[in-house]
Amino acid sequence: DQQVKQNSPSLSVQEGRISILNCDYTNSMFDYFLWYKKYPAEGPTFLISISSIKDKNEDGRFTVFLNKSAKHLSLHIVPSQPGDSAVYFCAASVTGGQNFVFGPGTRLSVLP
Amino acid sequence: ETGVTQTPRHLVMGMTNKKSLKCEQHLGHNAMYWYKQSAKKPLELMFVYNFKEQTENNSVPSRFSPECPNSSHLFLHLHTLQPEDSALYLCASSQDLLVNQPQHFGDGTRLSIL
Repeated sequence: DQQVKQNSPSLSVQEGRISILNCDYTNSMFDYFLWYKKYPAEGPTFLISISSIKDKNEDGRFTVFLNKSAKHLSLHIVPSQPGDSAVYFCAASVTGGQNFVFGPGTRLSVLP
Repeated sequence: ETGVTQTPRHLVMGMTNKKSLKCEQHLGHNAMYWYKQSAKKPLELMFVYNFKEQTENNSVPSRFSPECPNSSHLFLHLHTLQPEDSALYLCASSQDLLVNQPQHFGDGTRLSIL
């Protein structure tokens, strides 16, 4: 049973609009979350993180929101650019551990 | 350039071959990891090393044998693999195991078992 779920395998968004990628988790012990971006033939690249003491973290065009009661996090990309087209993975862990559990990924396509 | 280099990028081998995957990190990190990514599946953690000591083995079959001679290098020795072992093998590193921090990944080795 997957502890980290990304229920949308793919998402298409028009350039300049907002992209919203969602992630749900089942383990209430998770308290540190990350988003990675992966281009074809490359390894995942760290994008942004959030710990459970916060409900929002922002870095430029990227914002991650965490709703602990719903066990849900989302990544917002505003404005979306064609170069953002990639597979996005969310990952979760328990503080003090590096045993991350990854979601299956969502493929984002930003259309010009 | 992520600071984590994996070689080879592609490997095709028969089930009776012995080969090794190599990972090198130039980030001064103390923890290194092997992951497996099969088609349409999430990344699966295989092994964790911290200061050259193995701290985690996620029930990986013995036909996969990791080796960590120092904090900068990590190997995955392969022997008598099965077709279902065909996957992308990713190496990652982080400063250590204790503090919330991201892992830095290499570009992976795409392994095909004939």
